[in-house]
Amino acid sequence: AQKITQTQPGMFVQEKEAVTLDCTYDTSDQSYGLFWYKQPSSGEMIFLIYQGSYDEQNATEGRYSLNFQKARKSANLVISASQLGDSAMYFCAMREGRNTGFQKLVFGTGTRLLVSP
Amino acid sequence: EAGVAQSPRYKIIEKRQSVAFWCNPISGHATLYWYQQILGQGPKLLIQFQNNGVVDDSQLPKDRFSAERLKGVDSTLKIQPEKLEDSAVYLCASNKDSAQSYEQYFGPGTRLTVT
Repeated sequence: AQKITQTQPGMFVQEKEAVTLDCTYDTSDQSYGLFWYKQPSSGEMIFLIYQGSYDEQNATEGRYSLNFQKARKSANLVISASQLGDSAMYFCAMREGRNTGFQKLVFGTGTRLLVSP
Repeated sequence: EAGVAQSPRYKIIEKRQSVAFWCNPISGHATLYWYQQILGQGPKLLIQFQNNGVVDDSQLPKDRFSAERLKGVDSTLKIQPEKLEDSAVYLCASNKDSAQSYEQYFGPGTRLTVT
């Protein structure tokens, strides 16, 4: 079974600094995808970034980048220039299933990020 | 473009009372998901629909949960909780189901408290 591990229950960072949120995964599939979602206190899950297992370059979306190390089975999220609004829960997730029409997501337990002024 | 809509946002019920949650996905999204998120955990898939058919309901506790998506658009999740552990946030998500789209769009969730 596929599994996502997030070992950092909480992280603190000062505004304008960079922070890395760790995620490791376990799968026997050759084709898979990795996501990061942000969940603010309002509860809605907000998509941040996606990395496919065959993508040669690390994904980037604005201040978010995904440090994908396939051999180590890690997909860490890097947030540059942290902002107060980045304070939230962050979830790493893996797409199960080879067919794009059957994209069950398996989530980790999350990391709570607190950005201080 | 309107996002995924869910109602109600909050519900408090006693064990063995029935409740129904509604979800309206983004227009044109063929795939709809219901997730359960227990406090302190990540979301866990309960059921996945492709149009009006069930793709995966392997983790749906069928003795007290049911879901339907009769016309392939909006969906209803029904719960008759037997356990306090059914207290959770129930998230609905949808996606386009195309080769170019992996992102699932989530609604605001319904927070259920079982007393």
